[in-house]
Amino acid sequence: EVQLVQSGAEVKKPGESLNISCKGSGYTFSTSWIGWVRQMPGKGLEWMGIIYPGDSETRYSPSFQGHVTISADKSIRTAYLQWTRLKASDSAMYYCARSRSGLIDYWGQGTVVTVSP
Amino acid sequence: DIQLTQSPSSLSASVGDRVTITCRASQTISNDLNWYQQKPGKAPKLLIYAASSLQSGVPSKFSGSGSGTDFILTISSLRPEDFATYYCQQSYSSPYSFGQGTKLEIK
Repeated sequence: EVQLVQSGAEVKKPGESLNISCKGSGYTFSTSWIGWVRQMPGKGLEWMGIIYPGDSETRYSPSFQGHVTISADKSIRTAYLQWTRLKASDSAMYYCARSRSGLIDYWGQGTVVTVSP
Repeated sequence: DIQLTQSPSSLSASVGDRVTITCRASQTISNDLNWYQQKPGKAPKLLIYAASSLQSGVPSKFSGSGSGTDFILTISSLRPEDFATYYCQQSYSSPYSFGQGTKLEIK
């Protein structure tokens, strides 16, 4: 059974750094794209980017390029979403997702990030 | 980048009704269009991929059609558990954008 298990909720201050994670199981992690989707409170889904753990090829949405970093460690089957300087506007639910030819067939449970002074 | 526009943004319907939701792409995307259902507090769920293929385990009351720039999601015989928000997504080219969503509410 494919599972994506995300790290727990985070509360941070503006300007702080953050790293949230997503551990995959039940499939060949290194040969499947995995990515991140943002959902701000009461709003729709926003595709952020994806990574191919086998060679770390990464694709970003222009809306998120330069503000977040997507990485993966195939040895521990884990993908990461990283910020170096959080803003209040980063407060949202973040889903990791397995991507197959662009579509998303499995989703993590979501990680809530709250950024507040 | 490809923009997807869903209509309507919200829709009221009754149990037993049949509803349609449309998704229009800003450029041709062949049949690389997917539909998801999201219930409050839950992760989205894939319903339809490649415009008209039903994801495994999804009831046949959900169906999709279209190609090029115009796509339709049809839900027949609405039941209480179908009231949710529906999103289209294009998988034609990165960034693989979503539509803004359609909230289906009980009338």
